[in-house]
Amino acid sequence: NAGVMQNPRHLVRRRGQEARLRCSPMKGHSHVYWYRQLPEEGLKFMVYLQKENIIDESGMPKERFSAEFPKEGPSILRIQQVVRGDSAAYFCASSPSGSTYIYFGEGSWLTVV
Amino acid sequence: GIQVEQSPPDLILQEGANSTLRCNFSDSVNNLQWFHQNPWGQLINLFYIPSGTKQNGRLSATTVATERYSLLYISSSQTTDSGVYFCAVEETSGSRLTFGEGTQLTVNP
Repeated sequence: NAGVMQNPRHLVRRRGQEARLRCSPMKGHSHVYWYRQLPEEGLKFMVYLQKENIIDESGMPKERFSAEFPKEGPSILRIQQVVRGDSAAYFCASSPSGSTYIYFGEGSWLTVV
Repeated sequence: GIQVEQSPPDLILQEGANSTLRCNFSDSVNNLQWFHQNPWGQLINLFYIPSGTKQNGRLSATTVATERYSLLYISSSQTTDSGVYFCAVEETSGSRLTFGEGTQLTVNP
């Protein structure tokens, strides 16, 4: 039973480029969460999605960031026109429903140069 | 939103020592989980423990929901226990986990 799969594991982008991070939840899980971890800090909630719906995006920056979880395929976190401050680890998590044990992927490390 | 405070922020132990990590939270919770982030950055689920006590090998955890705190006990620590330990809670009115800032544990041989 595969866990939460994230790719790429490491991504380097130049300032102004776009970054796309993908997350495939565990089999049978329909709830996906994205978190960001800045260097030497804890994890900060960004967005909570179910299939084809954004449930809570209160942690998402208002500009340049977007997320989707289509009916088919992985969840995508998209960052447009990246800046150095976007350099961080981005973790995806999934659960079979809300308010239950959630499982994290191994993270995607974004470096903006 | 809910506040989560972890203590101590840093802890250095000699191999074989025991330790207690604390997590205080400011409101009622549906869910509380402890995670270990290893030196390679992986987040490993330790416990799902909104209340009560659980044990898994050398680790155990207790959550006293009425007093809004949880404790993680590590006994006979090993160098592989090094890393950051996070407590995360989901408030009763919420739908996501809020993390504390973590306890950085270093176990020296």
